[in-house]
Parts: sequence; structure tokens; C-alpha cells
Amino acid sequence: ETVLTQSPATLSLSPGERATLSCWASQNIARELAWYQQKPGQAPRLLIYDASNRASGIPARFSGSGSGTDFTLTISSLEPEDFAIYYCQQRNNWPLSFGGGTKVEIK
Amino acid sequence: EVQLLESGGGLIQPGGSLRLSCAGSGFTFTSHAMSWVRQAPGKGLDWVSTSSHSSGNTFYGDSVRGRFTITRDNSENTLYLQMHSLRVEDTAVYYCARRGGTDGWGAFDVWGQGTMVTVSS
Repeated sequence: ETVLTQSPATLSLSPGERATLSCWASQNIARELAWYQQKPGQAPRLLIYDASNRASGIPARFSGSGSGTDFTLTISSLEPEDFAIYYCQQRNNWPLSFGGGTKVEIK
Repeated sequence: EVQLLESGGGLIQPGGSLRLSCAGSGFTFTSHAMSWVRQAPGKGLDWVSTSSHSSGNTFYGDSVRGRFTITRDNSENTLYLQMHSLRVEDTAVYYCARRGGTDGWGAFDVWGQGTMVTVSS
């Protein structure tokens, strides 16, 4: 079973700042990692798939990197609508798993 | 428009049974594996189950294996989750999610709006 650990749990930043979110896998998952954004009362939305590919309609300020066990989601310049919770998820092996989430809040 | 619409949630007593449905539209249903993901109130996302394109292969999380059954009716473009022996800890919003990618085994690229299941006496 692959455990995903996200850090930090909460990130307090101002609009316009850069956000760097981390996700560590307990075993090698190649590049089979996705990132999702979730706002209160809404379903999650796919941002990044296979570690670094932006999903359809996702702005270029979102980027993903990493492989193996260490992954990063970067938001280059936070917009007001980016304050939300972000989850990583692996599809390399069963059971599928999600990280615990990082909340990006307004400072 | 690609869409998933869940139904079937509600209030159920511990030990009871419930069946959730998820109707897909706007895409070729048989080209994608389909999944259920849940979220307990105030908690993170928890993968529940996945069905392969033809439902020939099914996968379950440890906490639901033996109690939940995932099926799909490709003629009706509908995914189901039959839940038995429900526990208080199964209380959550249940999302239906499509697995994307060229082979239909990719990330969860389309999500429904969710249906709430509350297990309580």
C-alpha cells in the first residue's frame, strides 16, 4: 500500500505569492501522480496528471514536477480563486490512495 | 457536455443497505474505468472502489471490501455502488469519478457533484 504524505498541512500566503506544495510517496510510484483542487462545497477538480501534465483548462500558473517518491505542485502567482485545499493521488498500485491535503489560505 | 450525476444517498441506520447510482453522459462510457471516492465530513478524500471498462475487474479499499459491490450497466451508461452492513464511519459524500487518459485508467478527470450518505440511528 502506498501512503502519500503532503506538506505542509496549511500554507498561509498572500495573493501574488508563489506556493510550493509537496507530496511524498512511501514507495516508488514512477510519475503516476495527480493533483486536485477542492473548494468548499464542491467536488475536486483535476489540475495535474502524470506528475507534470496540466489538465484541460488549467491555467499555466499551475505546474507539477517530480518522479519516484517526491513530487511538487507549484502555483507561480496565487490568484484569489486559488485559495483551496489541494490533494495528491497515486494510481501506480492498488489500493489507490490520496494524500491528506494541503490547505492554501489567505495570509 | 461531459457529466456525471449521482443519486441514491440518504439517511440509513447502522447495518442497513443502500444503492448509489451514477449516470454518465457526454462521453463514451465504455472507454473509461469508473470509480467511487468518498469524503467524510471535514475530512480528506478516500478511494472506495473502481470498476474496469467492462466490469470484468473490480477493486476495493480495505474498509469496504466484502460489504460494498461496484457494478456498471454499460447499456445505460450507469455506475452503481451497492452498500451493505453500513457503519457510522461510512458517513460521507460519495463521488462518482471517471478515470481519464487514452486507456481510461488515468487520473480522475471528471467528477460528479456527490451524494450524501448518513449512517445514524
